[in-house]
Amino acid sequence: DAKTTQPNSMESNEEEPVHLPCNHSTISGTDYIHWYRQLPSQGPEYVIHGLTSNVNNRMASLAIAEDRKSSTLILHRATLRDAAVYYCILKDRIQGAQKLVFGQGTRLTINP
Amino acid sequence: NAGVTQTPKFQVLKTGQSMTLQCAQDMNHEYMSWYRQDPGMGLRLIHYSVGAGITDQGEVPNGYNVSRSTTEDFPLRLLSAAPSQTSVYFCASSPYGGVGTQPQHFGDGTRLSIL
Repeated sequence: DAKTTQPNSMESNEEEPVHLPCNHSTISGTDYIHWYRQLPSQGPEYVIHGLTSNVNNRMASLAIAEDRKSSTLILHRATLRDAAVYYCILKDRIQGAQKLVFGQGTRLTINP
Repeated sequence: NAGVTQTPKFQVLKTGQSMTLQCAQDMNHEYMSWYRQDPGMGLRLIHYSVGAGITDQGEVPNGYNVSRSTTEDFPLRLLSAAPSQTSVYFCASSPYGGVGTQPQHFGDGTRLSIL
């Protein structure tokens, strides 16, 4: 699986937007970009995924660069509950096994 | 909805003891997997299964054993516990369709300490 690079930590304020970057310069044409987050003392939680176009769901938006070598997870209005470690993961859409390769992720701190 | 249920939530073992971590899902997912997470690190894949009767090794399989006799259950066995296996263990499941888009559902983890 191709590698992703994320900042170790980020900090933001409650009710402000948060942009979490991810670089994946070796992404292949068949890789989906997945985001998961892990709240303290919980298992990872799926956030969003996309292939080429920007994606929106009730939790977040995913903006994908035109060359697909980077992406940004956008939390439109952060709450204290959004404080978590966010993982950007590439997932080959052709491979049958659903393995996820987790890196270190970005630890997001939300200030009240 | 129960989702993915892991038991026990906490366990302390002595070196050399064996035990089984239980994982059950009620979503009829074909794919199930076990990860371990050590302090300050991301999750690492131990074993996975793409359906009943089929299992395979992940990134860090040594010292662990799995079997998949039913779609719902995927137990993880520690054969002879070692302090290096102190970790938090997560079980996950997802549909399996050959397309890498299905989100995985994780349990809340089993916190295991080996003395």
